[in-house]
Amino acid sequence: GAVVSQHPSRVICKSGTSVKIECRSLDFQATTMFWYRQFPKQSLMLMATSNEGSKATYEQGVEKDKFLINHASLTLSTLTVTSAHPEDSSFYICSARGPKTGGAWSVPANYGYTFGSGTRLTVV
Amino acid sequence: DQQVKQNSPSLSVQEGRISILNCDYTNSMFDYFLWYKKYPAEGPTFLISISSIKDKNEDGRFTVFLNKSAKHLSLHIVPSQPGDSAVYFCAASRFRQGAQKLVFGQGTRLTINP
Repeated sequence: GAVVSQHPSRVICKSGTSVKIECRSLDFQATTMFWYRQFPKQSLMLMATSNEGSKATYEQGVEKDKFLINHASLTLSTLTVTSAHPEDSSFYICSARGPKTGGAWSVPANYGYTFGSGTRLTVV
Repeated sequence: DQQVKQNSPSLSVQEGRISILNCDYTNSMFDYFLWYKKYPAEGPTFLISISSIKDKNEDGRFTVFLNKSAKHLSLHIVPSQPGDSAVYFCAASRFRQGAQKLVFGQGTRLTINP
């Protein structure tokens, strides 16, 4: 259980276009989803946190108009990179938190966090 | 301000020996710590965690030690196997205060030599 699917795994787009990345919790309802960005050989930097049905909370320095996050349901969150430029090329990873039953995480050791497999975005 | 630091970018260990990966943190409010393993172009895979009320947690070949006074934790892998070659990230959070986000270190690339 607790599988997160992220799609696409790789995408190449032209500069100036927009690209959408999907993150789905396959077998549980995710109360909260997170979007990270990883530059080569660097840490995972949290971009934003989203709760179903409400606006995402962006980390300092992340342009909310550039990186649009929609969390329309308990199993789906999307990240849209608008007007992409080469500097947006990166590895994007989503994470979903849940489920919690009776006050306990289904996998207590990981405190409910499950990561997607990531999306390699290349803007040319 | 890097609140979680992994000062060794890389580590090379002989197969069968012990691998020790280190992580330091600066925020004394962190109360939960997690270790992840990551291969290139993949998402992180959870390995083991520890809460601040403990100083040791063990799961098979993996043991995590927490020294709160030194704000230091370490991951021990015994015995090391070739499949352990990957980048390892430590992460911290303040779950007891209701925080949800994880703060990651920079990662350490572990290479297990046959």
